[in-house]
Amino acid sequence: DAKTTQPNSMESNEEEPVHLPCNHSTISGTDYIHWYRQLPSQGPEYVIHGLTSNVNNRMASLAIAEDRKSSTLILHRATLRDAAVYYCILRVPYNFNKFYFGSGTKLNVKP
Amino acid sequence: KAGVTQTPRYLIKTRGQQVTLSCSPISGHRSVSWYQQTPGQGLQFLFEYFSETQRNKGNFPGRFSGRQFSNSRSEMNVSTLELGDSALYLCASGRTGDNSPLHFGNGTRLTVT
Repeated sequence: DAKTTQPNSMESNEEEPVHLPCNHSTISGTDYIHWYRQLPSQGPEYVIHGLTSNVNNRMASLAIAEDRKSSTLILHRATLRDAAVYYCILRVPYNFNKFYFGSGTKLNVKP
Repeated sequence: KAGVTQTPRYLIKTRGQQVTLSCSPISGHRSVSWYQQTPGQGLQFLFEYFSETQRNKGNFPGRFSGRQFSNSRSEMNVSTLELGDSALYLCASGRTGDNSPLHFGNGTRLTVT
């Protein structure tokens, strides 16, 4: 299984940016980097994904290192609603929709 | 557009019984995946179905099985329930052949007593 490493927990203040790191040193050239988050009592929710270039959407930005061995999910202004467990996942093409979730990073947002 | 619907939301069963969980994917999605979530093991992949065929399988015993119907709806079955099967079972639907995201339901909470 394609593995990623994330800190167990992080804390942020409301309205401040949050940078969530992920290491994926065994990534291969065709693996996409996906981020999902899981709010309490809900199923995981897609956040963003990318291959090589940095990506932006309405929820977040994804910064991918040049060697692709690490990436960072950026929440530009954290809100209380962003408190969740964030999962960094490598999407392996031949595995289709089989995801290895890992333990994720629990983000706590302080008012 | 309706999201992924899982039924029932909660279920209590006794050890040794069997259980069937249902998942209705988003309209147009042909891939349905199942995951088990427990506090100790986190989110673990069970299996994936695409066009009524199992395309991928995780490391679970044969007591865990599933199927997909022609309308893409899916069911998973657990036979001879054990206490350790108590978990949140999540279903996800998606397209295939590209990197479109998976859409998860809110799960079925199974408690085995």
